[in-house]
Amino acid sequence: EVQLVESGGGLVQPGRSLRLSCAASGFTFDDYAMHWVRQAPGKGLEWVSGISWNSGSIGYADSVKGRFTISRDNAKNSLYLQMNSLRAEDTALYYCAKDRDIVVVPAAIFDYWGQGTLVTVSS
Amino acid sequence: DIQMTQSPSSLSASVGDRVTITCRASQSISSYLNWYQQKPGKAPKLLIYAASSLQSGVPSRFSGSGSGTDFTLTISSLQPEDFATYYCQQSYSTLSITFGQGTRLEIK
Repeated sequence: EVQLVESGGGLVQPGRSLRLSCAASGFTFDDYAMHWVRQAPGKGLEWVSGISWNSGSIGYADSVKGRFTISRDNAKNSLYLQMNSLRAEDTALYYCAKDRDIVVVPAAIFDYWGQGTLVTVSS
Repeated sequence: DIQMTQSPSSLSASVGDRVTITCRASQSISSYLNWYQQKPGKAPKLLIYAASSLQSGVPSRFSGSGSGTDFTLTISSLQPEDFATYYCQQSYSTLSITFGQGTRLEIK
């Protein structure tokens, strides 16, 4: 059974940093691209970042470019999101999502999602 | 960035109704369009990928169509468990992904 478990969320002051983790199990992690998608309270879905299976292709939403860094450790079956210079508008539930297909470039079809970790940016 | 616009933003319908939700892309995305269902307090669930392919385990009352800039999600006969929010998402630009704003489907 595919499982994605996010952790690392919490309350943080504006301008500070936070690192999210996603522990994956139930599939061959290093075969698939992975993504972070967030959802502000009461709002829609926003893609944040994605990374190919070998970290060779990485992308970011304009809203986080230059502040957030995605990475993965295939030996540990884990995905990460380093978030720096956090702003109030980064407050959201952050989901880890798995790409559906085994392809060189991410297909960006999200077939499994974690339950999310909540990040609240407030003074 | 490719903008995705869904209509309507909300919709009231009854069990047994046929419902259609529309998604329009700001430029052609071929068939790189996916649909998700999200229920309150839950993670999104993939329903349709590549515009018209049904994800494994999804009931056949869900169907998708379209290509280029205009797409539709159709639920042929609404069931009580279908009342949720639906999102379209383009995967044409695979590392510059955008979602529609969502369509909330409510019970009439």
